[in-house]
Parts: sequence; C-alpha cells; structure tokens
Amino acid sequence: DQQVKQNSPSLSVQEGRISILNCDYTNSMFDYFLWYKKYPAEGPTFLISISSIKDKNEDGRFTVFLNKSAKHLSLHIVPSQPGDSAVYFCAASPTGNQFYFGTGTSLTVIP
Amino acid sequence: EAGVAQSPRYKIIEKRQSVAFWCNPISGHATLYWYQQILGQGPKLLIQFQNNGVVDDSQLPKDRFSAERLKGVDSTLKIQPAKLEDSAVYLCASSLGVGTTGEKLFFGSGTQLSVL
Repeated sequence: DQQVKQNSPSLSVQEGRISILNCDYTNSMFDYFLWYKKYPAEGPTFLISISSIKDKNEDGRFTVFLNKSAKHLSLHIVPSQPGDSAVYFCAASPTGNQFYFGTGTSLTVIP
Repeated sequence: EAGVAQSPRYKIIEKRQSVAFWCNPISGHATLYWYQQILGQGPKLLIQFQNNGVVDDSQLPKDRFSAERLKGVDSTLKIQPAKLEDSAVYLCASSLGVGTTGEKLFFGSGTQLSVL
C-alpha cells in the first residue's frame, strides 16, 4: 500500500526555468513532509521540509507548497541549475519518527 | 560532524549465500532505520530501532532477514539465505528520535547488493 506517491518518474527542464515536482499522499495523519535529493551512488540528503500548519516554506531556490485538503505537495526549484539533476523523493511523517517515502522523480536540467 | 557510516559499499553474492551489512549512526541519534531501495522504487522501511529496541519490523522478511542494534549504537542487518529479489541498495539512516514533528532522517551512502 503506497501511502506516498510521485506519479512522474522523470522530468526534464531547461536550465534557468522552473522545475515543479509533485507528490500526493493518502494518510490524513501525516503532518510533516520532507523532500530528499539523491545523487547516484550516494544516500538521500535532506533538502527542505514543511509542517502541516504551513502551506509554504521557502529556502533559497527551493519552495515547497502544501495543499492539505488535496493531500498534495509540490517542490518548486527556481531557477533550475544543471547541478540540480538528481532523483527527488518526497517523504511524509505522522508526529513522531516514522517516515514514508514516494517512488521518486528523476530530474534532468538541460544546460 | 560525522555522518552515518555504512559498510561495505558494494557486495556481490550468489543466491542462497549469506551477507551482513554494518551501520554506525550519527552520535547521539537514538533512532536507527534500515531501508531497502530496489531500483526504480523509493526506500522501503525494513526495521526501525529506538535505542536497542525494535519499534517497527512489520516489513522485514523475518524468515531470511535479521537485524540487531547492540548497546543502542551500531547495527547489523543480515540476509540468510539471499534470493535474487534481494538485489537492492540497503540504506541505513538515523534521527534524533525525540518523537516530535520536525525530525529529519540522515542517510548513509548505502550498500549496493547484487545477488546472482
């Protein structure tokens, strides 16, 4: 039972443009959401998070938006850079320290 | 600050053989996780420890997989005997484990296992 879904396996974007990665979840108990970035042969690294009491969190070029009623979140990267090319995983957590991951979206930023 | 350490980085074995992976979490992190990531999929939780106790092992195939976390620090994950479908990257992660909203997972580089 996949509680966190990323329906786009891959995304290609031109350098300088916006990248939008989407994530949907089914469990209404999730109240904390994270995005991780993964390069080949490395473990995932934390990118940005958002709590359910907010609908937006911004960190430099990265912004995460949360729509609780739709159980949907998205990660915006503006402007996209070639170094952003990686696999992006969203993860969701109920209060506590359990984490459920999506299947990932492979982002390619074309120079 | 030292990150999560895992070894080995790569392992190739034949089916029905045994294999063990080792993980050293970030110092002071009470919670340790083992995830399995099959190619093209997201990380799937195998087992979660809080100190040296098991919190969740509902997705661990207990007929062949075992894990322990002696003294609440290092952990080992063992597969015995291995099957072809066990080919995956095995990721260890840790978190502070205080159980409040806002925790983050820190991952090691993983062990890539190939079962032939």
